[in-house]
Amino acid sequence: GAVVSQHPSRVICKSGTSVKIECRSLDFQATTMFWYRQFPKQSLMLMATSNEGSKATYEQGVEKDKFLINHASLTLSTLTVTSAHPEDSSFYICSASHRGSLGYTFGSGTRLTVV
Amino acid sequence: GENVEQHPSTLSVQEGDSAVIKCTYSDSASNYFPWYKQELGKGPQLIIDIRSNVGEKKDQRIAVTLNKTAKHFSLHITETQPEDSAVYFCAASTSGTYKYIFGTGTRLKVLA
Repeated sequence: GAVVSQHPSRVICKSGTSVKIECRSLDFQATTMFWYRQFPKQSLMLMATSNEGSKATYEQGVEKDKFLINHASLTLSTLTVTSAHPEDSSFYICSASHRGSLGYTFGSGTRLTVV
Repeated sequence: GENVEQHPSTLSVQEGDSAVIKCTYSDSASNYFPWYKQELGKGPQLIIDIRSNVGEKKDQRIAVTLNKTAKHFSLHITETQPEDSAVYFCAASTSGTYKYIFGTGTRLKVLA
């Protein structure tokens, strides 16, 4: 089946630094990937839709300059949290669309802690 | 836009009993309804899905029903086991938008 690999699984960074999270589709090409944010005991909130070879589409309220998304190939999308602050601490999850399927495959998530 | 409500928020059942989780959606254009299981510290995993042209779908101990008229869909887990304990999310999607709108989640505890 379709597999999505997400790295790192956990990261701790200092306030003001940037963190990059990678999302890879291992056995399929993903023209579209999605980035979600999940706070403890809450649902998944879509942050942005990442399209290969074009600019990402951000949801209302999500800062484009703070959450940089790059989808340079059909198997890789990256999310960079720039100038991170403690309030950015969260669980970030990516998902990828497998061509011909309505179901999306999710990565294992990245726990970001900003200290 | 689409709004998905999910109930209950927590559910405890005895091992072997059935569990039912219900969701309602607002957008009549939604036509795809997946259910995801999320274990602690992990990403969600698709467990079953249903399209709007189908009223019911079953996969072993898991079934999903859809009532398009009422805009309700439900997840049914029979013969529950401790390993079924997790958070379950429903979602609704409209073809062409590629967006999932998730419910608020149900924390299921299966008591041994």
